[in-house]
Amino acid sequence: EVQLLESGGGLVQPGGSLRLSCAASGFTFSSYAMTWVRQAPGKGLEWVSTITGGGGRTYYADSVKGRFAISRDNSKSTVYLQMNSLRAEDTAVYYCAKAIEAARISLDYWGQGTLVTVSS
Amino acid sequence: EIVLTQSPATLSFSPGERATLSCRANQNIGSFLAWYQQKPGQAPRLLIYDSSNRPTGIPARFSGSGSGTDFTLTISSLEPEDFAVYYCQQRITWPPITFGQGTRLEIK
Repeated sequence: EVQLLESGGGLVQPGGSLRLSCAASGFTFSSYAMTWVRQAPGKGLEWVSTITGGGGRTYYADSVKGRFAISRDNSKSTVYLQMNSLRAEDTAVYYCAKAIEAARISLDYWGQGTLVTVSS
Repeated sequence: EIVLTQSPATLSFSPGERATLSCRANQNIGSFLAWYQQKPGQAPRLLIYDSSNRPTGIPARFSGSGSGTDFTLTISSLEPEDFAVYYCQQRITWPPITFGQGTRLEIK
């Protein structure tokens, strides 16, 4: 059974940093791109970042480019999202999700989400 | 950037009725469109990928169609658990991956 478990969310002040983790199980982790998607309170889904299976390529939304960094440790089946210079508008539930096939970014499994609140 | 427009924002149906949801792209995206369902407090769930393919475990009452710029998600006979928010998403040209703004399916 595929499982994705996010952690690391919480309350942080503007300008602060957080690192989110997503531990995966139930599939060959290194064979699939992984993606972070966020959802601000009461709003729709926003793609944040994707990393390929081997970790060699990363992609970012313009809204987070230069502030967020996605990485993965295939030996631990875990993907990370390092978030720096956080802003109030980064407040959201952050989901990690698995690509349905290699780098085919339809997202067939999602974690339960972790809430990030940026506020003073 | 590819923009996906879902209209209307809210649809009202009764259980047992047939529902059709729309997603329109501002440029040709072939068949590279997915549909997700999201219930309150839950993560999204993939219903349809590549316009018309259902992942294992998705009920047959959900079907997708379309290509190019116009896409449709059809729920043939609404069950009480189908009342939720539905999002479309394209993957042909990325980054960025883009989602529609969502359609809320509510009980009439």
